[in-house]
Amino acid sequence: GQNIDQPTEMTATEGAIVQINCTYQTSGFNGLFWYQQHAGEAPTFLSYNVLDGLEEKGRFSSFLSRSKGYSYLLLKELQMKDSASYLCAVRESNYQLIWGAGTKLIIKP
Amino acid sequence: IAGITQAPTSQILAAGRRMTLRCTQDMRHNAMYWYRQDLGLGLRLIHYSNTAGTTGKGEVPDGYSVSRANTDDFPLTLASAVPSQTSVYFCASSASGDTDTQYFGPGTRLTVL
Repeated sequence: GQNIDQPTEMTATEGAIVQINCTYQTSGFNGLFWYQQHAGEAPTFLSYNVLDGLEEKGRFSSFLSRSKGYSYLLLKELQMKDSASYLCAVRESNYQLIWGAGTKLIIKP
Repeated sequence: IAGITQAPTSQILAAGRRMTLRCTQDMRHNAMYWYRQDLGLGLRLIHYSNTAGTTGKGEVPDGYSVSRANTDDFPLTLASAVPSQTSVYFCASSASGDTDTQYFGPGTRLTVL
């Protein structure tokens, strides 16, 4: 069956680094997305991986291992504004997205 | 540039009433989507449209209908609302239905009593 797992909540300190993991079991694979969602707002696109390896974009990086069904989002130099939920989504063979429940990241001063 | 707009922002609705949630995009995207987001669950696809004039069912289509008369608009209708349809509804669009990133509207918070 389809399943995407992420930790429900994580806490980190301002200025530190945090890694949010995502594991998936889906019907086919056509890419993995990470979105950021602040409370009460819409999800916004962060990154997309379709090949194995690390994609770096400023303070945010995303890694994918298709053989392991695993991805992570790495956030460096954490800022208070990074407090949000981070959503992992996999595009299946039918091109529809299957979404994880999201990881709520709490940043403490 | 507005991107995607949704209306209303929020609504309280009596069970059994009919309700249409509106979604408009000005990016000329071919594909549009409706999701619901419930606490503790991932976004779930209700209906989608890969191009004007076509629609398809997602993971949770029951109790909802959509139409896509033109490229810009993709309304979602609840024919007879039930309390289990209380949720936050997001409309999204992408340039195409296969390889492109989805961009989301601000959402509609719907409460059915």
